[in-house]
Amino acid sequence: GAGVSQSPSNKVTEKGKDVELRCDPISGHTALYWYRQSLGQGLEFLIYFQGNSAPDKSGLPSDRFSAERTGGSVSTLTIQRTQQEDSAVYLCASSSSGRNTGELFFGEGSRLTVL
Amino acid sequence: KQEVTQIPAALSVPEGENLVLNCSFTDSAIYNLQWFRQDPGKGLTSLLLIQSSQREQTSGRLNASLDKSSGRSTLYIAASQPGDSATYLCAVRSGGGADGLTFGKGTHLIIQP
Repeated sequence: GAGVSQSPSNKVTEKGKDVELRCDPISGHTALYWYRQSLGQGLEFLIYFQGNSAPDKSGLPSDRFSAERTGGSVSTLTIQRTQQEDSAVYLCASSSSGRNTGELFFGEGSRLTVL
Repeated sequence: KQEVTQIPAALSVPEGENLVLNCSFTDSAIYNLQWFRQDPGKGLTSLLLIQSSQREQTSGRLNASLDKSSGRSTLYIAASQPGDSATYLCAVRSGGGADGLTFGKGTHLIIQP
């Protein structure tokens, strides 16, 4: 597609359930980032993928969070046993270059509400 | 550790005015700086990217400048319109941290019709 695509756009779930959020980056972009934005807050880095290298997971807040990127393209962020504090907008971004160059393009985000 | 500050945090001006948003950073060793706008409930839309070797970039009514030595960037919006109302964020790439990026907290801009 022309831009970064994220799905679902909205997800309401019950506490304790698992959720999967999907990101389809711009075709050909090697770098992919996940961020979390809580209401009224700034962006919180979660995880970074660069090509086929091992991802940098240093921003993941707990072991309930995991992410994978298949074939260097689509990425899935999984949150297990969701908690109310996981409620936020999850943003995905991609870039054509490595971590030190390139313009960053964001998707519209997935709004997660944990009841 | 890179720190990015955006001042003011909020700004409200009448339609038609020219305005300047500020972004300052503490470590001048940057690769580039990018300005975004974010509408409520939406993702971030890229406005302008300035590489470290550049001093300014222009797109339509927007002009962004970069002064690395003083650790400052400004986003100039000419002839503001109600549709410009949004939160404007700057992000600095300086290689620190896992993603190499540091985001400011944004300036919430309201253009009064």
